[in-house]
Formats: sequence, C-alpha cells, structure tokens
Amino acid sequence: DAEITQSPRHKITETGRQVTLACHQTWNHNNMFWYRQDLGHGLRLIHYSYGVQDTNKGEVSDGYSVSRSNTEDLPLTLESAASSQTSVYFCASSEASWTEAFFGQGTRLTVV
Amino acid sequence: AQTVTQSQPEMSVQEAETVTLSCTYDTSESDYYLFWYKQPPSRQMILVIRQEAYKQQNATENRFSVNFQKAAKSFSLKISDSQLGDAAMYFCAHNTDKLIFGTGTRLQVFP
Repeated sequence: DAEITQSPRHKITETGRQVTLACHQTWNHNNMFWYRQDLGHGLRLIHYSYGVQDTNKGEVSDGYSVSRSNTEDLPLTLESAASSQTSVYFCASSEASWTEAFFGQGTRLTVV
Repeated sequence: AQTVTQSQPEMSVQEAETVTLSCTYDTSESDYYLFWYKQPPSRQMILVIRQEAYKQQNATENRFSVNFQKAAKSFSLKISDSQLGDAAMYFCAHNTDKLIFGTGTRLQVFP
C-alpha cells in the first residue's frame, strides 16, 4: 500500500543546531506540504512543493528550508533551531488541489 | 490572501444528537476546494468530507454533511447522530494553489 512516512517521530535538539526532518511518500504525488501544529494555531503551512525542483514559501517559512530533488522526498531543514520551533511537524502529499491530502504521523520536535 | 477561520475553539454534544461546526474562509479565487479533516488523539489526519466550490449541491458522507454558502464564504460541518468516536479536533481547510487550515475546533461527545 502507498504511504507517507516521517522520521524521526520524536527528536530533541539544542538551540542553534541544524535539524532535518524527513518525509517520504510512495503515492507518486507531485504536491507535498510541510505544516507545524501548535495549540491555538492549528496547522500552519511552512513550505510546499508542486514537483521536482519546485519549492514555495508558506505562512511561517522563516528559519526553515526545503529541497525537492525527487518526487518521493521533501526534507525540512531548520537551519539554526530555536525554542520557538518546538512543535509537532506534519508532512502531507496530494495528487491535486481537489483531492484528499494524505498525512504522515507527525514529528514531535523539542528544541532545548 | 487565503485564510480560514474557525471561531469555535471547543464544542460539545450529547451522544446521538446533532452538532454543527462553523468555518469561514477568504479567497479572491472563484474556483477552489474545501475540506474538513478530523484529528483524533492518535494525531492521524483523516479526511471527513470535501466540497468543490463550483458545485452548488452540499456534500454528504453518511452522518456528515456540509452547508456551503459560497457568497458568504461559509462552510459548516454538521454531524448527525453523534458517536463517542466522533470526539476529535476538526479542521476546516481551503485549497486554491495551496492547502490552508483553520485553527481547529475540539469536539467533545458526552454519553
């Protein structure tokens, strides 16, 4: 069965370190998204991609970057982790704007 | 700018009763798509229902239905015959060129 997986599921890192969260999907979807979920804020869009070599900034992109070198993967990098980036991160993919988005299980990141 | 507003942070309903969750959105586009997702304590996001903006007919999926008012940019979710398993966070989402979510409504279901 096709799926979308995130790794790691939990991570603790120190302020100032670079961190990369992995997202891998086997749906062969062109559209991929990264969100962060915080209490009271819902899911906020960080970056998104419509295909290989395409990346776009979302609502809360400062301090984050992504690259899309193949269809399956969209890794999210925190260049210099800050305590404000402590959150649960979700990756999602979809075939098109009118179709269901499939979500990974989430990564809980704690920056200390 | 594309925005989604859910004005009810929490709602509660008695088992077997009906509850309506509100959602409004803002967009300058005429063609777009709207979704309701459910997030139970497991954190897994589950699609509940979707609506195409060009369709006037309200979408229905078993006990879940929407009231889509395009002119008012309103997209509410009605849950009929509520069940204990319906307890979750519910997110309204809007997609034109990117998928944007609201802040969510936490639904409690009491026996």
